[in-house]
Amino acid sequence: DVKVTQSSRYLVKRTGEKVFLECVQDMDHENMFWYRQDPGLGLRLIYFSYDVKMKEKGDIPEGYSVSREKKERFSLILESASTNQTSMYLCASTRPWDTEAFFGQGTRLTVV
Amino acid sequence: DAKTTQPPSMDCAEGRAANLPCNHSTISGNEYVYWYRQIHSQGPQYIIHGLKNNETNEMASLIITEDRKSSTLILPHATLRDTAVYYCIVRSSGTYKYIFGTGTRLKVLA
Repeated sequence: DVKVTQSSRYLVKRTGEKVFLECVQDMDHENMFWYRQDPGLGLRLIYFSYDVKMKEKGDIPEGYSVSREKKERFSLILESASTNQTSMYLCASTRPWDTEAFFGQGTRLTVV
Repeated sequence: DAKTTQPPSMDCAEGRAANLPCNHSTISGNEYVYWYRQIHSQGPQYIIHGLKNNETNEMASLIITEDRKSSTLILPHATLRDTAVYYCIVRSSGTYKYIFGTGTRLKVLA
């Protein structure tokens, strides 16, 4: 069974902390994505990566960075967490130009 | 990427067909129409996609108008487990990105 696994379902962090959200996929997919989801705003793309060490900004990259050192792992980094980054974070992966994106279960991050 | 417009919410009686509309009037020739759904507390799940012909799979049917400016996702016999947010997305075959909107919240009523 194909799988995208996010390291935590729920996370509570303090303002100013450095936060790492991890995503691992076991399908040998080239493309990986990070989205955030907020009520009334749908899913918004933060960053995506189409190969190891390659990344592109999505629609809302401010306050975030990413790391893709290995093909199966894509990390989202909040350098200094702020309360407006409280959200549901979703990771996804696909093959290039594939028809179906596979999503993880999401990480609900609360910054206090 | 073309934008999509969907109604924010819909209700459907259990056992009846659920017809979810999507407007994508600015779609271009190489853009596909995709449908995903998100059940509460889970990540989005792929349902179906198409370019210009109608498509059917074990989950749903996708009807695309001849001018491709709108489409309808049909769940033929809705069950309570189909209660979810349904997203219509248009995506070029030459792009990596999936751009999600706010979707339609479908509630299937017993």
